[in-house]
Amino acid sequence: EIVLTQSPATLSLSPGERATLSCRASRSVASYLAWYQQKPGQAPRLLIYDASNRATGIPARFSGSGSGTDFTFTISSLEPEDFAVYYCLQRSDWPITFGQGTRLDIK
Amino acid sequence: EVQLVESGGGLVQPGGSLRVSCAASGFALSTYWMNWVRQAPGKGLEWVANIKPDGSEKHYVDSVKGRFTISRDNAKNSLFLQMNSLRAEDTAVYYCARDDQLAPGGWYFDLWGRGTLVTVSS
Repeated sequence: EIVLTQSPATLSLSPGERATLSCRASRSVASYLAWYQQKPGQAPRLLIYDASNRATGIPARFSGSGSGTDFTFTISSLEPEDFAVYYCLQRSDWPITFGQGTRLDIK
Repeated sequence: EVQLVESGGGLVQPGGSLRVSCAASGFALSTYWMNWVRQAPGKGLEWVANIKPDGSEKHYVDSVKGRFTISRDNAKNSLFLQMNSLRAEDTAVYYCARDDQLAPGGWYFDLWGRGTLVTVSS
C-alpha cells in the first residue's frame, strides 16, 4: 500500500497570505496525484489532478506541482473561503489511498 | 442537475448488516467506474471499494474484503454497498464518488454525493 504523508497537520495563516502544503508518497506515484478540499459537513471537492492540472472551475490561485514521491499544493493568496481541510490522493496503485489531511485555519 | 444522492444509512448493531444506496441523476451511471469512500467521525478519507461500468470487476480495501459487496443497477442509475458483519470501526459517513478519466491514465473522483451516516453501536 502506498502511504501518503501530508505536512503540516495544521497550518494557521491569514487571508491574503500564501499557503504551501506538502504530500510525500512512500514510493513513486508518477504524477497520479490529486488534491481535494473539504469543508465541514460537505463532500470533498476536486481541485488538482495529475499533480498540476486544475479541475474545471477551480480558480488560478490554486496550483500543484511535483512528481514521483514529493508534491506541493499552493494557494497563492488565501481567500476567506479557502480555510478548510485539504487531502492528497494517489491513483498510481491499489488500493487507492488518501493522505491524512492538512487543516488550514484562520490565524 | 448532475448529482449523486446517498441513502440507507442508520444505526446498526455490531455484527449486523446494512445496505446503502447511491442514486445518480443528470448523467448515465453506466459509463463510469463508481466508488464508495468513507470518513469516520473527525477523521480522514478512506477509499472502500469500486466497480467497473458493467459490474464485471470490483476492488476492495483489505479491511472490508469478505464483508462488504459493491454492486450496481445501471438500468436504475444506482450504486449499492452491502455491508455485513459490521464493526464499530465501520462507523462513518459513506460517500459515493464517480470516477472519470481526466487525463491519459489519470482517473480521479470528480463528483461526490453528500454522504450517508452509518453508525455501528449496541
